[in-house]
Amino acid sequence: DAGITQSPRYKITETGRQVTLMCHQTWSHSYMFWYRQDLGHGLRLIYYSAAADITDKGEVPDGYVVSRSKTENFPLTLESATRSQTSVYFCATSLTYEQYFGPGTRLTVT
Amino acid sequence: AQSVTQLDSHVSVSEGTPVLLRCNYSSSYSPSLFWYVQHPNKGLQLLLKYTSAATLVKGINGFEAEFKKSETSFHLTKPSAHMSDAAEYFCVVSPDAGNNRKLIWGLGTSLAVNP
Repeated sequence: DAGITQSPRYKITETGRQVTLMCHQTWSHSYMFWYRQDLGHGLRLIYYSAAADITDKGEVPDGYVVSRSKTENFPLTLESATRSQTSVYFCATSLTYEQYFGPGTRLTVT
Repeated sequence: AQSVTQLDSHVSVSEGTPVLLRCNYSSSYSPSLFWYVQHPNKGLQLLLKYTSAATLVKGINGFEAEFKKSETSFHLTKPSAHMSDAAEYFCVVSPDAGNNRKLIWGLGTSLAVNP
């Protein structure tokens, strides 16, 4: 049982390029989340989704786009990457209140 | 407004000695509380959770936490530290139902274990 997977695990891209980070779960949890983790800021919520076709902004949504056409997938797109979006990105799922995390994607924007 | 404060950003202990990581929370409701652990360059793993049952909660790897409503605290403890406990620990609060499952995260405590 893979649980929750993220791809790619590592990505280097240039400023201005569009980048999509993938998140896939096998549990059929209704809630999914995207966080970024930066030194000194802890985890910050970017977007979350309560179910397929239902998404909402978190704490730091600017510059990001999400979609959720299927329960199991929750891709995060950086429309035009900036250096400030260099970070580690975590996807998480939730059935009740605790959240379960993927292994993360380390994104570097040059 | 709900908030979480981890009182120490860094804690250093010797192997075999007790661990205490402190966490205070602020919540208008009856919260659920969690501790997560993150080992270097790894994802986040749920260590333990409090959801209004027993106030002393046991988690994985010998960790415990006690919910004290009067002190609004949820400190994490372990009787004897192991080298493998070196990691970042996050105290997390989930406010009452209806909040769309969003969690409020502390900034983390880095635990170092010295031989």
